[in-house]
Amino acid sequence: DAGVIQSPRHEVTEMGQEVTLRCKPISGHDYLFWYRQTMMRGLELLIYFNNNVPIDDSGMPEDRFSAKMPNASFSTLKIQPSEPRDSAVYFCASSLTALGEVGYTFGSGTRLTVV
Amino acid sequence: GESVGLHLPTLSVQEGDNSIINCAYSNSASDYFIWYKQESGKGPQFIIDIRSNMDKRQGQRVTVLLNKTVKHLSLQIAATQPGDSAVYFCAENKEGKLIFGQGTELSVKP
Repeated sequence: DAGVIQSPRHEVTEMGQEVTLRCKPISGHDYLFWYRQTMMRGLELLIYFNNNVPIDDSGMPEDRFSAKMPNASFSTLKIQPSEPRDSAVYFCASSLTALGEVGYTFGSGTRLTVV
Repeated sequence: GESVGLHLPTLSVQEGDNSIINCAYSNSASDYFIWYKQESGKGPQFIIDIRSNMDKRQGQRVTVLLNKTVKHLSLQIAATQPGDSAVYFCAENKEGKLIFGQGTELSVKP
């Protein structure tokens, strides 16, 4: 298995633009998580899905952020409009269970820079 | 512009020595904990886990200790190698979700 695949690896965009981050989880994993990592806040859970259904989005910072999972093999995290404070590394992770016994598998992340 | 970030706690050890990385968790009801390793430019990677009904669990060169009385978790790495240089995170089960700690940067000197 190729693991969790995220794209793009790097994204530089101007303030106000729409940004879409993409994730392909490991086949057979029922749970998908979106995390954001910054030096100030560390790794923050934004939202997670179970069987393509959003279960908990309490970590989504504000209405500018939205996430979808149209099928078991694809998820997107969208920021519209983007702001400089959204600059961070965004990770997608997938797991067989909610707590990730034997661990979540993380993708390599998307480094977002909003200028 | 971006705010100035906090510096992670750093542990510097000599190659071959043992490393101990500590973590305090917040939720006394947490019943599951995991240690992750994150190398530069990569996502976190699972190292070892432990449930609250255990005090100690051993893996290959790593041992996790859990002290529920003081809500403290530690990761011991035996015979630390340069490839162990990374940021290490503990994570706890909080309300059914894995919540990550701040992280500790381990630097191994050759």
